[in-house]
Amino acid sequence: IAGITQAPTSQILAAGRRMTLRCTQDMRHNAMYWYRQDLGLGLRLIHYSNTAGTTGKGEVPDGYSVSRANTDDFPLTLASAVPSQTSVYFCASSGSSGGANEQFFGPGTRLTVL
Amino acid sequence: AQRVTQPEKLLSVFKGAPVELKCNYSYSGSPELFWYVQYSRQRLQLLLRHISRESIKGFTADLNKGETSFHLKKPFAQEEDSAMYYCALSEVKAAGNKLTFGGGTRVLVKP
Repeated sequence: IAGITQAPTSQILAAGRRMTLRCTQDMRHNAMYWYRQDLGLGLRLIHYSNTAGTTGKGEVPDGYSVSRANTDDFPLTLASAVPSQTSVYFCASSGSSGGANEQFFGPGTRLTVL
Repeated sequence: AQRVTQPEKLLSVFKGAPVELKCNYSYSGSPELFWYVQYSRQRLQLLLRHISRESIKGFTADLNKGETSFHLKKPFAQEEDSAMYYCALSEVKAAGNKLTFGGGTRVLVKP
């Protein structure tokens, strides 16, 4: 693995189903983030984690949960998917939890909720 | 709360023409500002940050605190500059480096 990876690449999901989007980085970055990208709205922060064992809410956290059991992994779970969660989801990481450090982004997961 | 505004959703220019992408922000503290770019079928990546005061791929951006702006400029656009551009503001705290993004501007450079 080099950098930051996400799985799956895309998914079609029935409303009401549970779904976990996976994110893994091998850069030993402390901080990780989940964004959703919607046309005209840019990227909006869902949840973040400054270091393993801690998480925080972003701008649009409702309907999503995260965990950070270790440094490398930061899964995003939709407990009961709704059509408004149709979006492209990006995971990102940065080298420090403080300071304006560059964020490195994964390739994205395109999720469609029907 | 901080906010980033990119008023143009689409900019279409001819190759060799200047291009300017507008970005305005509102933030009560001292901002850290970035431009990120997403080329077709590639992941989002950092283009430049205001603290570096550098030119990347011919692009420059100057932070104007009086006008609360961080416009991105390039004097001669190239076809490979066609991409989605996002202005972003970093809320820098003792713990946390969250980015607030603008809505994005799609740049199309025509031959």
